[in-house]
Amino acid sequence: DSGVTQTPKHLITATGQRVTLRCSPRSGDLSVYWYQQSLDQGLQFLIQYYNGEERAKGNILERFSAQQFPDLHSELNLSSLELGDSALYFCASSGSGQPTNEKLFFGSGTQLSVL
Amino acid sequence: GQNIDQPTEMTATEGAIVQINCTYQTSGFNGLFWYQQHAGEAPTFLSYNVLDGLEEKGRFSSFLSRSKGYSYLLLKELQMKDSASYLCVHVEGNYGQNFVFGPGTRLSVLP
Repeated sequence: DSGVTQTPKHLITATGQRVTLRCSPRSGDLSVYWYQQSLDQGLQFLIQYYNGEERAKGNILERFSAQQFPDLHSELNLSSLELGDSALYFCASSGSGQPTNEKLFFGSGTQLSVL
Repeated sequence: GQNIDQPTEMTATEGAIVQINCTYQTSGFNGLFWYQQHAGEAPTFLSYNVLDGLEEKGRFSSFLSRSKGYSYLLLKELQMKDSASYLCVHVEGNYGQNFVFGPGTRLSVLP
C-alpha cells in the first residue's frame, strides 16, 4: 500500500459528460501529480501541485482542470469527455519538494471509460 | 521535456539476467529512477541514482553515467513475477520535481 488513495477505482460515463477524480496523498506529502495512461501507452504527465499551488503543467487539455485543497487532497476535473479520454488516471505524491531523492508514490489509479 | 529512449520489449528466461538500457538528454539533471509497472497497476519504485555508479538492491541493480546520459537496470535470477514494464524516469527542473517518464520496456519472462 503506497498510502496514496484514489477514488473512484472505476468510472464509466458517456461522451460530453464531466467527471471528477479524487486523490489523497500520503500523509505529510505536499506534492500531488496527475498522470494519464492510455492503453499500452506510457505515462503522460498532466499537472503538479505543491502545497495548494500549481507548480508544473504538462500535456493537459483545456477541458481538464485540477486543484489542490488546503487539506492537500486533489481533484482532477475532466469535462466534455471524448472517447479518447478513456484511460487510467494515476495520482502520485511526493514529500517536501527538495530536488534530491524525491520518490513518487502512486495511487492505484482510476480507470475511466467513456462510452 | 527530455527524450528518453528505452527498448520497447525484451524477453528473457526464468533464472537468467537481463539488462534494460535507458538513454536521456542531459540538462538540469536531478536524478534517475527506475519504476516497475505490472499491467493495469500503479508503478512502484525500484531504484534511484543521482551519482555515477552502481546501486545494488537485492536482485535489482541500477547504473548511471551522467556524462553519457545513460542508465541501465539489471535484473538477476529472473522470476516469472518480474514480467512487467520497467520505466526509466528522469528528474529535472528547478525544484527537481519534474519527473519525465520514458515509454517503458515490457519484459516477458518465459519458463
